[in-house]
Amino acid sequence: QSVLTQPPSVSAAPGQKVTISCSGSTSNIGNNYVSWYQRHLPGTAPKLLIYDNNKRPSGIPDRFSGSKSGTSATLGITGLQTGDEADYYCGTWDSSLSAVVFGGGTKLTVL
Amino acid sequence: QLHLQESGPGLVEPSETLSLTCTVSGGSISSRNYFWGWIRQPPGKGLQWIGSSSYSGNTHYNPSLKSRVTISVDTSKNQFSLKVTSVTAADTALYYCATIKVVTPASWGQGTLVIVAS
Repeated sequence: QSVLTQPPSVSAAPGQKVTISCSGSTSNIGNNYVSWYQRHLPGTAPKLLIYDNNKRPSGIPDRFSGSKSGTSATLGITGLQTGDEADYYCGTWDSSLSAVVFGGGTKLTVL
Repeated sequence: QLHLQESGPGLVEPSETLSLTCTVSGGSISSRNYFWGWIRQPPGKGLQWIGSSSYSGNTHYNPSLKSRVTISVDTSKNQFSLKVTSVTAADTALYYCATIKVVTPASWGQGTLVIVAS
C-alpha cells in the first residue's frame, strides 16, 4: 500500500548489526535523496536519523548509517542497544506523484 | 532546537472541517530555511504527506488531497495550521506537523490523534 517497500520487522541481539531495506522506483528513490526516521511509539515525535541518503543530523551517533544503490536504500545500525527498539521509516520525494512518499515502516526488535 | 506541538479537536464529525494548529518554539516561523508541513498516519497504515507552506504562503499539497486541504502560516503567533474539509472516516489519523527542509521532514511534533465520527 505504501509507495516504498520495507520489511515489516527485523530483529537482532544487543551489540549486533542490523540493516533495514527500502525499495522504490526510478520516480522516487532512483532519482531523489532518501531520509530515514526513528519513532519509538506512535504518540512520540519521529526523529530524523539520515538525510540526503547518508548524512547524519547533529547529535545522531555514527552507529546509524545510510546508503543508496539504484532504486533501493538501506539503513544500517551497529552496536545495537535496547533503546534502538523502535519503528523505522524511509522517505523520499516522488517526482511522478509530486509528493513526499514513505515506506510502511519496519519494527526493530532487539532480542 | 525547534520544538513543534500540535493542537486541536480530537473528534470531528463527518462532512465537517478538521482544523489543527502547530505551535513552533525555539525559532522563528519566518525562517527562510524551512517549509512548514503536515504528515498523517491512519491507524494500521503508513505515513502520508499532506503538504507544506513557506512562511510567505508558498504552498505545495499532495495531489491526492489538494482539493480539500489548506495550510497557512501565522507569523504573528509563530504558528501554522491545517484545514481539511469534508472529512470522512478515512481522514481518521495521527496528524504530525513538521519542519520541511527542501523536501525532507526534519523536526516533527509528537502528533495528535483525530477521529472522524458522529
